[in-house]
Amino acid sequence: GAVVSQHPSWVICKSGTSVKIECRSLDFQATTMFWYRQFPKQSLMLMATSNEGSKATYEQGVEKDKFLINHASLTLSTLTVTSAHPEDSSFYICSASVRTGVSYNEQFFGPGTRLTVL
Amino acid sequence: QKEVEQNSGPLSVPEGAIASLNCTYSDRVSQSFFWYRQYSGKSPELIMSIYSNGDKEDGRFTAQLNKASQYVSLLIRDSQPSDSATYLCAVTFSGSARQLTFGSGTQLTVLP
Repeated sequence: GAVVSQHPSWVICKSGTSVKIECRSLDFQATTMFWYRQFPKQSLMLMATSNEGSKATYEQGVEKDKFLINHASLTLSTLTVTSAHPEDSSFYICSASVRTGVSYNEQFFGPGTRLTVL
Repeated sequence: QKEVEQNSGPLSVPEGAIASLNCTYSDRVSQSFFWYRQYSGKSPELIMSIYSNGDKEDGRFTAQLNKASQYVSLLIRDSQPSDSATYLCAVTFSGSARQLTFGSGTQLTVLP
């Protein structure tokens, strides 16, 4: 399968600071990437869809001014958590969509970034 | 509301047995169906994709899709302790721009 990397794998920050998470597709070009958040014992929650060269599409209830997404190239999307607070502590995972057929796409996930806000 | 439902489990099977994981979805026009495996503290890993009715086999894994019943399953033959994980069913609904809708996951434990 396609390889997606994330950096950093974990980060601890103080309340009020901003944190940037990078998501890269290593061996393919990804026009579409997705950002998810996962709290303990829960399933993945889609936060936003990131499209190269255009604004991200955010899911209902996700603050676009707090979670800034930039998809400036076909291999890189970034998520910036601005003015992070303890309730933002979570496991953030990106994925990239790869076309596998005429009408089919598969999503491959990065390893995730564990954010802890003190 | 387009939904994906899974038995949350936990499901325990002895080593060597067949583990059967089930998933139902709400939209009859759904296109693509996936099974992901997620180990504790790790991100999901794609293990199977299926797009048409019937069975699809890959090694010890078999995915089964029945669109008329809106049902997709995953069978794991000769289960190993290393198969112990949470298995997530995911569906791409029509008109969803490649977005996945996930079920809540089924936690599988394979007992040695």
